[in-house]
Amino acid sequence: GAGVSQSPSNKVTEKGKDVELRCDPISGHTALYWYRQSLGQGLEFLIYFQGNSAPDKSGLPSDRFSAERTGGSVSTLTIQRTQQEDSAVYLCASSVRGRRETQYFGPGTRLLVL
Amino acid sequence: SQQGEEDPQALSIQEGENATMNCSYKTSINNLQWYRQNSGRGLVHLILIRSNEREKHSGRLRVTLDTSKKSSSLLITASRAADTASYFCATDSNAGGTSYGKLTFGQGTILTVHP
Repeated sequence: GAGVSQSPSNKVTEKGKDVELRCDPISGHTALYWYRQSLGQGLEFLIYFQGNSAPDKSGLPSDRFSAERTGGSVSTLTIQRTQQEDSAVYLCASSVRGRRETQYFGPGTRLLVL
Repeated sequence: SQQGEEDPQALSIQEGENATMNCSYKTSINNLQWYRQNSGRGLVHLILIRSNEREKHSGRLRVTLDTSKKSSSLLITASRAADTASYFCATDSNAGGTSYGKLTFGQGTILTVHP
C-alpha cells in the first residue's frame, strides 16, 4: 500500500511568513510523529500524536510551532512567523498501534526560510 | 547532550568490504533501532534490537547491543555501492514499559561504498 506522504516536497518562504506542512500517514496507523532535521544534524523530535490522546508536544522548539491531527489521520505542522533557523527538513512518521516502535517515514518537506 | 551518538561520522570503503558503525547512548532504553537515509530525505527502518537482546541479524546486517556499555554496533557485510547512505541509530528511552516510540536520534554516520 501507499507509504507516508508529505507535502509540499520543498517550500521556500520569506522570514516572518507562516507555513503549513502536511503529512498523510499510512492508512490505519494510529501514531504520528513529526521530526526536524537541520543541515548535517540528526533528527530532533517535535511532536507525537496517538489516537485521541492529548499530543506530546515536548519537542516543539517554540510557541511559533503547532500541529494538529484531524480525524486521527492527516496532520498539519504550522510554523508561524518563520525564522531563518527554522530552515530544515521536516519529517513525518507513522506507526501501527501495538507495534509502535517501528516508524515509517515520509520523504520529508525541505523548508528554506530566506 | 545528544542521546545516540555515532562514530565514525564518515566511513569510506570499497565494495565487498564490511562496514561497522557504532552508537553510544546515555540513558536506559527499551530498544535501539537503526535507520538508513538517502540524500537527506526519508528514513528507512533497518532493524530493531530490544534491551534484552544482545545480537540480531537481518540479511547482510548484524546489530549488537551492550547495555552495560550503553553501546550498539551495526555491521554491514559484503558492502555494495547501493549501501551508500547515512545511517542513524535511534533510542527509545521509555524503559520498563510499553514503548510509545518517542525516538532520540544520533548524528549519523555517512557511509560511502566505492565500486
